[in-house]
Amino acid sequence: DGGITQSPKYLFRKEGQNVTLSCEQNLNHDAMYWYRQDPGQGLRLIYYSQIVNDFQKGDIAEGYSVSREKKESFPLTVTSAQKNPTAFYLCASSIKWTMNTEAFFGQGTRLTVV
Amino acid sequence: AQKVTQAQTEISVVEKEDVTLDCVYETRDTTYYLFWYKQPPSGELVFLIRRNSFDEQNEISGRYSWNFQKSTSSFNFTITASQVVDSAVYFCALATRSRLTFGEGTQLTVNP
Repeated sequence: DGGITQSPKYLFRKEGQNVTLSCEQNLNHDAMYWYRQDPGQGLRLIYYSQIVNDFQKGDIAEGYSVSREKKESFPLTVTSAQKNPTAFYLCASSIKWTMNTEAFFGQGTRLTVV
Repeated sequence: AQKVTQAQTEISVVEKEDVTLDCVYETRDTTYYLFWYKQPPSGELVFLIRRNSFDEQNEISGRYSWNFQKSTSSFNFTITASQVVDSAVYFCALATRSRLTFGEGTQLTVNP
């Protein structure tokens, strides 16, 4: 089945540790995105990638890093510099980076700092 | 700057009631797209509808209908004869050349 797979579904991290969230898509989409969802704040864009080997900062990129070495993969690293990392993280993709294309979303990773 | 406002944080209705979810947007761009997504408890957002800024025709799809009014910068979503399976968080989003902005979401609970 075509879609977006995020893993793990739940992740616990100790303060001061880096952690990487996985996102894989088999839709052959060029564009991929990472969003953070907090209660009452909607979705906020962390990073996006329009094409392989290229990515751009979104609205809240501080404390996060990404890579896009393969078309189907867009992992997100939450670094120790992110002051409040506990949140629900959603990965998405779209055919192209254009305003008229809808995004397809994964089921999310819930990250908790303990 | 662009912004999407969903003033209703939570709505609770009884099954078979009609319910309207409000969405108001702000942008200086003349060309843009508006979207509605549904987020069920499983977490992933599901695309429902896309509308471009030049098409103000209302749309109906089964029990769902959308009312786009440029004059009031609104793109409201109505569910007719709501069902328990409609319970979810609903997001309105605005896409311009430079970015996609989501509203805060409306939690809809349909009680049996």
